This record gives sequence, C-alpha cells and structure tokens, in this order.
Amino acid sequence: QQPVQSPQAVILREGEDAVINCSSSKALYSVHWYRQKHGEAPVFLMILLKGGEQKGHEKISASFNEKKQQSSLYLTASQLSYSGTYFCGTESLGGGSNYKLTFGKGTLLTVNP
Amino acid sequence: NAGVTQTPKFQVLKTGQSMTLQCAQDMNHNSMYWYRQDPGMGLRLIYYSASEGTTDKGEVPNGYNVSRLNKREFSLRLESAAPSQTSVYFCASSGFTGYYGYTFGSGTRLTVV
Repeated sequence: QQPVQSPQAVILREGEDAVINCSSSKALYSVHWYRQKHGEAPVFLMILLKGGEQKGHEKISASFNEKKQQSSLYLTASQLSYSGTYFCGTESLGGGSNYKLTFGKGTLLTVNP
Repeated sequence: NAGVTQTPKFQVLKTGQSMTLQCAQDMNHNSMYWYRQDPGMGLRLIYYSASEGTTDKGEVPNGYNVSRLNKREFSLRLESAAPSQTSVYFCASSGFTGYYGYTFGSGTRLTVV
C-alpha cells in the first residue's frame, strides 16, 4: 500500500519554507526521500532509518517518527533549484517487504522568483 | 561514469508486440528494481531482485517478466504489449542495505499503440 504524501502540490516564492509529509499504514524500517525534475530520473536525497533520527542535506532536512509511521521533509530558504516533484519511499518491516521501496504519489514543489 | 544504464530511451510498440528493456549497473549493487511511472501515480514497483539469482513480484507485475542475468544486469520483458503498459519505466539499483539510497537509470519512455 502506497504511503500518503501531503500536500499534493505547493507553490513558494524564493526564500520561503515548506514541509512535505509522508504517512504510512505499516510499521516502517526506513524512509527515503527523492527529488525528480521534469523529464529526469529521481535523485536520492536522504534516508532515515528506524530510530527517529533527523538528517540534513544542505538546507533540506527530514525527520522520522516511527511510532506514528510518519516522516516529514523540511525545505528552508527555498531556492529555484528546489523545484521538482518530491517522493517519499518507505521500506516496511517483514512480510517479504524488506529491501524494496513503496513510493508515494509525489508532491510537486514550484519555487518562483 | 558509474551508474545505471537503461536501453532503449524511447520505444513505440504496436499492441501485441513483445520487447525487452535492458538495464545494467556498474556499482556492484546487490539489489535491482523495475518501476513504472504514470502521471499522478508515483513510482510503482513491477519486479525486483534482492540479490543475484532471485526475483520477486512487486505491486504491478501482471504482463511482465524479468531476468536477473548476472549481478550487473536485470531485464524486463513485455510478452504481449497492451496500451495500458504505456508508461515511463525506470530501473534502479541499491547496495545490500539500501543505506545510500537507490540509483535510478534515465528511464525508457514506452508507448503502445
């Protein structure tokens, strides 16, 4: 079952902040975040493992609440280059679900000057 | 450059024709995946291979077959193409734990008429 991402789309002005959420109905081992620009392949941003850690990547960071089975991606002081579609991918625990990601439907982020 | 190579990049098939999408990685990754991407649906897993010699079905395996030829190569075959298989297909690979995320190929845009 696909994780649910929200919002579906967001429009920002350069320098503004955004939060993208990812929620799963299954117990999670890990959450991945990817960014895809139009016509290109998804590019890995970061992985969060079971343990509730928060990670950062330039001005992009993420958190993982394993009890709530949720992850959030934080984009601060957005730049034009942040535009694209963001996907979370979740790896569930057990039941043959290891070693494979189930992706959400994506969040389209547009950053305007 | 190291990465995941997919061929072909574009393909048009007639309904009922067959074809094989090729994928090769040179990062010594154990796991390989085939996803399809349709507008508004995100990335959906077709088949995956957790390690050389094994393959398993994903969310949408019907109408497809795969072969893990060796550690480097993972092919996807459409035996009798249908218009519903019009999509962008991405191959990806990851190390054993997926700790560094998935690396995606550049994609194959397939149209079935």
